[in-house]
Amino acid sequence: EAEVAQSPRYKITEKSQAVAFWCDPISGHATLYWYRQILGQGPELLVQFQDESVVDDSQLPKDRFSAERLKGVDSTLKIQPAELGDSAMYLCASSLVPGAYEQYFGPGTRLTVT
Amino acid sequence: GNSVTQMEGPVTLSEEAFLTINCTYTATGYPSLFWYVQYPGEGLQLLLKATKADDKGSNKGFEATYRKETTSFHLEKGSVQVSDSAVYFCALFDTNAGKSTFGDGTTLTVKP
Repeated sequence: EAEVAQSPRYKITEKSQAVAFWCDPISGHATLYWYRQILGQGPELLVQFQDESVVDDSQLPKDRFSAERLKGVDSTLKIQPAELGDSAMYLCASSLVPGAYEQYFGPGTRLTVT
Repeated sequence: GNSVTQMEGPVTLSEEAFLTINCTYTATGYPSLFWYVQYPGEGLQLLLKATKADDKGSNKGFEATYRKETTSFHLEKGSVQVSDSAVYFCALFDTNAGKSTFGDGTTLTVKP
């Protein structure tokens, strides 16, 4: 069964350092989402891509976060510089068509900022 | 804006007990509703869904009915197992905005 791949699974970094996460969606899925999940809370959308274009990044802290999906396939989310409050699970999800409600989630990257 | 409110946890049950996790929502329009499950160290998996009022979603013995009049989508299971221990998230999908909104999750622990 096809899955969304994410790496690394765990990342520990010091504050003010740069960190990057990678996501490979299910083949053929045009829509890709990055979510942040703080411990004890539900996922919060950071950015949504349709193919290589950003369709929603209203909740992305653009002073330190960036995201790209250059060829409309895999995607990278970067934080620079990392802050203590960025410690969370970063989840990637994909869906087949725009506006499709059925999203498939990857296993996530657990980030700890010290 | 849209919001989802879930019953606070944690919930601890004995094996074979009846489970209810309450979920209510606030949304403009007519959203689709979902329950996701998250096992330790993993991402979210779709458990069941309902796309219109009075629809019942069901999967693996879990059920939830879309109640428009009470804006609710409560999750139920007649007999829980230890393997059901996980965090359960209620969510809605706003078809106009193309966005999902998640509740804060309810942790379920089932003891043998």
